[in-house]
Amino acid sequence: AQKVTQAQTEISVVEKEDVTLDCVYETRDTTYYLFWYKQPPSGELVFLIRRNSFDEQNEISGRYSWNFQKSTSSFNFTITASQVVDSAVYFCALTSPDSGGYQKVTFGTGTKLQVIP
Amino acid sequence: DTEVTQTPKHLVMGMTNKKSLKCEQHMGHRAMYWYKQKAKKPPELMFVYSYEKLSINESVPSRFSPECPNSSLLNLHLHALQPEDSALYLCASSPGTSGLYNEQFFGPGTRLTVL
Repeated sequence: AQKVTQAQTEISVVEKEDVTLDCVYETRDTTYYLFWYKQPPSGELVFLIRRNSFDEQNEISGRYSWNFQKSTSSFNFTITASQVVDSAVYFCALTSPDSGGYQKVTFGTGTKLQVIP
Repeated sequence: DTEVTQTPKHLVMGMTNKKSLKCEQHMGHRAMYWYKQKAKKPPELMFVYSYEKLSINESVPSRFSPECPNSSLLNLHLHALQPEDSALYLCASSPGTSGLYNEQFFGPGTRLTVL
C-alpha cells in the first residue's frame, strides 16, 4: 500500500517570509511519480511539478523550489518570499502501479497555507 | 485552449432526481478523470477514461455512471444519490499515454448538494 503524509495541516506566514511544505511518502514500488498541486479557494487544482523516482535532481522555478530525497522518502516544497497569492491548499501526490499493475494515485491530506499581508 | 471546463458550477438535487455533470477539454488529451472531494479532504479518484474507454473504476457505487462520448467530453450521470454524496466533483485530463503518471489539468469543479 502506498501512503503520502503531509504532517502540516495549516501554516501561517507573513508576506515575504520563506516557507517549506513537507511531504513524506511510502511505497514499495521502484518506479513511481510524485506531484505537487495547488488548490486556491476557487477550487481547481493547479499542477506545479512532477518528479519520477529516478530523478533526484532538485528543481527551482521562480520562487518555488523542490527537494526530492529518496533516502528519506521526502519531496519537500519551498516558497521563497511568499506572497498573498500563494495562499491555498497544497497537495502532494504519489502515483505508482498497484498489485494488479494498474496505476494508483494517492494524495496527501494537504497543507493549507495562509500568507498574511 | 488550455483549460478544462465543467458545468454546472453548482447543483442541488433531491435523492430521487437524475442529473448529469459535464466536463470538456480541447487540449487533445486522451485521458480524462473524475474525482470526488469532500470539504477539507484530498481528492479521491473515481473513474479514469483512456482513449474513450473506461480503464479504472475505483469501486464507485452504481448510482454514479460515467460516460465518455468523445475524446473531448466526459459526463457523470447521477441517479438516486444520498446526502453523503454531497461534495465537489472535479474533472481532469492529462496528455500522452502515461495516464496518472502525467500531470493533470483540473477543471474548477461542480459543487453538488444532495438534499
